Amino acid sequence: GAVVSQHPSRVICKSGTSVKIECRSLDFQATTMFWYRQFPKQSLMLMATSNEGSKATYEQGVEKDKFLINHASLTLSTLTVTSAHPEDSSFYICSARDLTDQPQHFGDGTRLSIL
Amino acid sequence: RKEVEQDPGPFNVPEGATVAFNCTYSNSASQSFFWYRQDCRKEPKLLMSVYSSGNEDGRFTAQLNRASQYISLLIRDSKLSDSATYLCVVCQNTDKLIFGTGTRLQVFP
Repeated sequence: GAVVSQHPSRVICKSGTSVKIECRSLDFQATTMFWYRQFPKQSLMLMATSNEGSKATYEQGVEKDKFLINHASLTLSTLTVTSAHPEDSSFYICSARDLTDQPQHFGDGTRLSIL
Repeated sequence: RKEVEQDPGPFNVPEGATVAFNCTYSNSASQSFFWYRQDCRKEPKLLMSVYSSGNEDGRFTAQLNRASQYISLLIRDSKLSDSATYLCVVCQNTDKLIFGTGTRLQVFP
């Protein structure tokens, strides 16, 4: 079945550091990738939607200058949390989809802890 | 009001029991409905889609009531491995998935 690889799975770093998370579709072309965030005991919240070769569409309340998304190829999207602070500590999950009528396939997630 | 509401649980049931989860959604324009399963600190995995006519997959039965904006999941003959959080997910016409906070199930021997 379709596989989405997310890396790294765990990041612990100091406040002020920028962190890059990669999301790769391994056996299909992901025309659309989604980035979610999940705080403890809360639901997954969509942060942004990105289509290959175009700018990401951010959900209300998500700062595009803080969460930089690049979807330069059909198999790779990156999320960079710039100047991360403790309140950015969360579980970040990407998902990918090839065609609009296909389900999203989720990556393993990245647990980000900012000290 | 949340767009997708679920009872957070936990539901603690013995092996072999039948358990049902409910979910309500607020946007009547929602078009697709799913149940996902999420194990602790892992990514969500699609359990099943939910159709208006109701659908069954082995021990799992999902139903949708569009008039009441209500979705259910029934698990029969619970196994220890069913212990997880079950997420009710609604897809709107923009292809955006809206997740509920999940209902936690714990099956004990």
